[in-house]
Amino acid sequence: QVQLQQSGPGLVKPSQTLSLTCDISGDSVSSYDAAWNWFRQSPSRGLEWLGRTYYRSRWGNDYAGSVRSRIIITPDSSKNQFSLHLNSVTPEDTAVYYCARAAHRAFDIWGQGTMVTVSS
Amino acid sequence: QSALTQPPSASGSPGQSVTISCTGTSSSVGGYNYVSWYQQHPGKAPKLLIYEVSKRPSGVPDRFSGSKSGNTASLTVSGLQAEDEADYYCSSDADSSNWVFGGGTKVTVL
Repeated sequence: QVQLQQSGPGLVKPSQTLSLTCDISGDSVSSYDAAWNWFRQSPSRGLEWLGRTYYRSRWGNDYAGSVRSRIIITPDSSKNQFSLHLNSVTPEDTAVYYCARAAHRAFDIWGQGTMVTVSS
Repeated sequence: QSALTQPPSASGSPGQSVTISCTGTSSSVGGYNYVSWYQQHPGKAPKLLIYEVSKRPSGVPDRFSGSKSGNTASLTVSGLQAEDEADYYCSSDADSSNWVFGGGTKVTVL
């Protein structure tokens, strides 16, 4: 049974970097059959895909245009986890953040969600 | 403003059917057979209901069905039950290795 467990701070100061980690159990971050994604959800922006990391002989990433200049998603195969780093945050980045696995081109396993508030 | 357009609300009585539309463009829904649908109850993470337009993951009741015509995909919930009251989101693969979502539809069971 695949499970994703998120961790990270719930409060980030403006202009700093938001960092969250997603621990994977029951699958591998290096799986050829999956991609590992980050999303956020807020009343103003709805549900928004942020980006993904995946392994296909080498590591690859794709990022949403709305955050491409500020985001990095990094895998850690030794800990079987992946992380989101979003820099230069503003109050507009306040949202519930989710990690999720993509298989069959759909998001079938989700983390529990982390409410992140950007405020001084 | 979401890339995919869904009606904000839909409703039906127990036992009835409700259909939710999801309209994109030829760069999203119309160009890919990778439309998926998600159910989200308050305070919970989304749950996958339909993938690849019309396929159901193991454990999802066959009351949930999906289809697509041109740039519009649809989710039908047949035999509405009280526990079907939730928000529903569509998603599609899109150009430039992107994924886009609809704004969500709140389904009310009357």
